Amino acid sequence: DSGVTQTPKHLITATGQRVTLRCSPRSGDLSVYWYQQSLDQGLQFLIQYYNGEERAKGNILERFSAQQFPDLHSELNLSSLELGDSALYFCASSVGQSGNTIYFGEGSWLTVV
Amino acid sequence: GIQVEQSPPDLILQEGANSTLRCNFSDSVNNLQWFHQNPWGQLINLFYIPSGTKQNGRLSATTVATERYSLLYISSSQTTDSGVYFCAGQGAQKLVFGQGTRLTINP
Repeated sequence: DSGVTQTPKHLITATGQRVTLRCSPRSGDLSVYWYQQSLDQGLQFLIQYYNGEERAKGNILERFSAQQFPDLHSELNLSSLELGDSALYFCASSVGQSGNTIYFGEGSWLTVV
Repeated sequence: GIQVEQSPPDLILQEGANSTLRCNFSDSVNNLQWFHQNPWGQLINLFYIPSGTKQNGRLSATTVATERYSLLYISSSQTTDSGVYFCAGQGAQKLVFGQGTRLTINP
């Protein structure tokens, strides 16, 4: 158990819908990262937050948004879902912004039908 | 930007064999981490290794930062070692993953 908690573990939803994925980082970790893993794209970095502020952005679609709350948990919002958004979404956390071991949650499996 | 390349893409071995996985990374990488993704999808951090050598049981890793590469050694492979091994390089913030090495250990 990495200490990073993600919910829900599995989610099936229809095209055009909106979902929210939730992440609680390890105790004491201030950085939260979001990644998308699909079969043909590998592990793609989406966004990083540190202590509530956005620190780095990857190839995150405009339909996707995220935030980190004062209690350090984070949410990833996916809207106007398309079939191609079906993927495993990972949250990860680390103590600092960089230069620390990064721990991953078990992921949220999203299927868009 | 950060670039991370892994080789080989696939590796099939018999139980008990040793293996070496390689990761090359670009100048903008300040630290390097190795992960194992098991068949159930879990991503486990194996090593945080910006430079030098670390060992954990049958696994060890070496990063030669000046030459921009890292190696992951697995000795006396077991079927439970199967899965995908990723290296990931981090610059100022984001952690960029390589495409992975898929390791299959046959009994």
